[in-house]
Amino acid sequence: DAGVIQSPRHEVTEMGQEVTLRCKPISGHNSLFWYRQTMMRGLELLIYFNNNVPIDDSGMPEDRFSAKMPNASFSTLKIQPSEPRDSAVYFCASTTLGGSSGNTIYFGEGSWLTVV
Amino acid sequence: DAKTTQPPSMDCAEGRAANLPCNHSTISGNEYVYWYRQIHSQGPQYIIHGLKNNETNEMASLIITEDRKSSTLILPHATLRDTAVYYCIVRGRAGNNRKLIWGLGTSLAVNP
Repeated sequence: DAGVIQSPRHEVTEMGQEVTLRCKPISGHNSLFWYRQTMMRGLELLIYFNNNVPIDDSGMPEDRFSAKMPNASFSTLKIQPSEPRDSAVYFCASTTLGGSSGNTIYFGEGSWLTVV
Repeated sequence: DAKTTQPPSMDCAEGRAANLPCNHSTISGNEYVYWYRQIHSQGPQYIIHGLKNNETNEMASLIITEDRKSSTLILPHATLRDTAVYYCIVRGRAGNNRKLIWGLGTSLAVNP
């Protein structure tokens, strides 16, 4: 399995521009998570989906952030307009529901965003 | 989800066992203990998880105390590539408790 695939790996953009981060979860997984990591705040959960439906978006910092999951194999995290304080590594992760033991969450390699 | 407490940093000599402790005194009966690690510039990597019994896989062993209030991750023969931040997390399986709440972890330095 290819694992969780994220794109782009690195992006540098100017303040005010729209940023779209993409994620392909592991095939068969039906829960997807978006995290943000910074030195100051560590790993923060932004939003997670079950069966393509957003379940908890309480971590989304403000209206500039939005996330969609149009189908089981694709999700986007959009920032519009972007600001320098949005600079961070954004991780996508996925897991599968059910099973007899805990559900292991697998992470992508992250999208490194720099807003100048 | 229960919170965890880990030492901020540890050192280990290459080839020796690394024992990383974690306190989770408020863990509830249906919460699992998970360990992940994050090597610099990479995404968090799953290591191992357990509920009550000790667990072992190709990467590590997990020892959970009988009262489940603490656990220890053991890397039996640490290598330089094991240098990373190690996160201990407790997490429920059912309902909305599938998200992971991350602390600051333990920064493990394996020295030659």
